[in-house]
Amino acid sequence: ETGVTQSPTHLIKTRGQQVTLRCSSQSGHNTVSWYQQALGQGPQFIFQYYREEENGRGNFPPRFSGLQFPNYSSELNVNALELDDSALYLCASSFEPMVAEQYFGPGTRLTVT
Amino acid sequence: SQELEQSPQSLIVQEGKNLTINCTSSKTLYGLYWYKQKYGEGLIFLMMLQKGGEEKSHEKITAKLDEKKQQSSLHITASQPSHAGIYLCGADPYSGGGADGLTFGKGTHLIIQP
Repeated sequence: ETGVTQSPTHLIKTRGQQVTLRCSSQSGHNTVSWYQQALGQGPQFIFQYYREEENGRGNFPPRFSGLQFPNYSSELNVNALELDDSALYLCASSFEPMVAEQYFGPGTRLTVT
Repeated sequence: SQELEQSPQSLIVQEGKNLTINCTSSKTLYGLYWYKQKYGEGLIFLMMLQKGGEEKSHEKITAKLDEKKQQSSLHITASQPSHAGIYLCGADPYSGGGADGLTFGKGTHLIIQP
C-alpha cells in the first residue's frame, strides 16, 4: 500500500509568482484535503476535494485554488504569492470525506522571498 | 469559529517520566483528534475521541475526553526519546464532518532529555 506523497519537498519562490504543489493520495482514497501550516502554528484547512469537485473550503482567498484528477491525485495552486504564504503545505487523503481516517503526506516547504 | 488551546506550549521531560498535554476547546467537541508531528514533517494520527468520558490507549499513550466534551488530555507514561515531537489536537467542527476540515491547536513541543 502506497502512502500519501507530495512534491516537491522544498520550493523557493519570489513574491508575485505562481506555484503548483502536488499530492498523490493513498491507494483507494478518493478525498484529498489541503492544509497550510505556518511556523509555530497548527495546520489550517484550505480546502477539500472529493471525486474531482471542491467539497469544502476554509478561510483562504480565491488565489488559492485546486484540482483533483481522475486518479484522485491533487494539485494546490497559489497565484500572486505573498511573503505570508511561506509555510509547510500538507495534504491528507481519506476514503470518503471522513476526517478520522485522514492520512497526511510529508508536506512541501514553500519559502516566498 | 472553534478555537483550540493547547498547554503547555513546550515541555521538557526526563526520559522515563510521565507527562500530560491538555487541549481545551471554545465549543463542544464532536470529534477530537490527536496527531504527532516530527518537526517539518507530516502528521501521524494517534487517536480519535468522540464520546464524553471516552478514554483510549495505544502503547504508552492514553487520551481522554471529558464528560462535557470541551477538554481532552494526552498522557504519556514512562516517556522515551521516540515520544519527542509536536503533539497537535484537532477538532471536527461539525458532527459527521469532513468537508470543513479539522481545526487544530498550535501544538505542544515535547523534548525528552536522556
